Amino acid sequence: EVQLVESGGGLVQPGGSLRLSCAASGFIFNKFWMSWVRQAPGKGLEWVANIEQDGSEKYYVDSVKGRFTISRDNAKNSLYLQVNGLRAEDTAVYYCARGVSPDNWGQGTLVTVSA
Amino acid sequence: QSALTQPPSASGSPGQSVTISCTGTSSDVGGYNYVSWYQQHPGKAPKVLIYEVSKRPSGVPDRFSGSKSGNTASLTVSGLQADDEADYFCSSYGGSKNVVFGGGTKLTVL
Repeated sequence: EVQLVESGGGLVQPGGSLRLSCAASGFIFNKFWMSWVRQAPGKGLEWVANIEQDGSEKYYVDSVKGRFTISRDNAKNSLYLQVNGLRAEDTAVYYCARGVSPDNWGQGTLVTVSA
Repeated sequence: QSALTQPPSASGSPGQSVTISCTGTSSDVGGYNYVSWYQQHPGKAPKVLIYEVSKRPSGVPDRFSGSKSGNTASLTVSGLQADDEADYFCSSYGGSKNVVFGGGTKLTVL
């Protein structure tokens, strides 16, 4: 069974940073693209970033370019999202998901940006 | 990277069918056969119902079906059940490994 478990969210002040993590199991992690998708409270889904199997290719939505960095450690079956320069509009549940068009999702980790 | 357009709400009575549309452009929905549909119950993670326009993952009932015509994709839910009441989101590959989502449709089972 595919399992994706996110962690690292929390309350942070504007301009602050967090490192989100996603522990993957139940599939061959290094065979899949991985993505981060976020959902602001009461809003729709927004693709944030994705990363190729070996980490050499990374893509981001325009609104986070230069502030967020996606990475992975295939030896640890883990996906990461370093989020810097946080803004109020980054407040959302951040989901780790498998694939470019995600077919499996974690339960999400909440990031709240507030003074 | 504009969001795909979905109706904000849809409704139907138990046993009826309802169709939800998802309109994009030739750069996303119309340009690729990589449209997915997701169901999300309150407080839960999205669950994929349809991928690659019309394919169903194992375990998804055949009451859920997908199609596409031009720049518009559609999800049809047949034989509505109470548990189908949820939010539904479409997504499409948009080129250069970008993915775009729809704004979501809240389905109410009357």
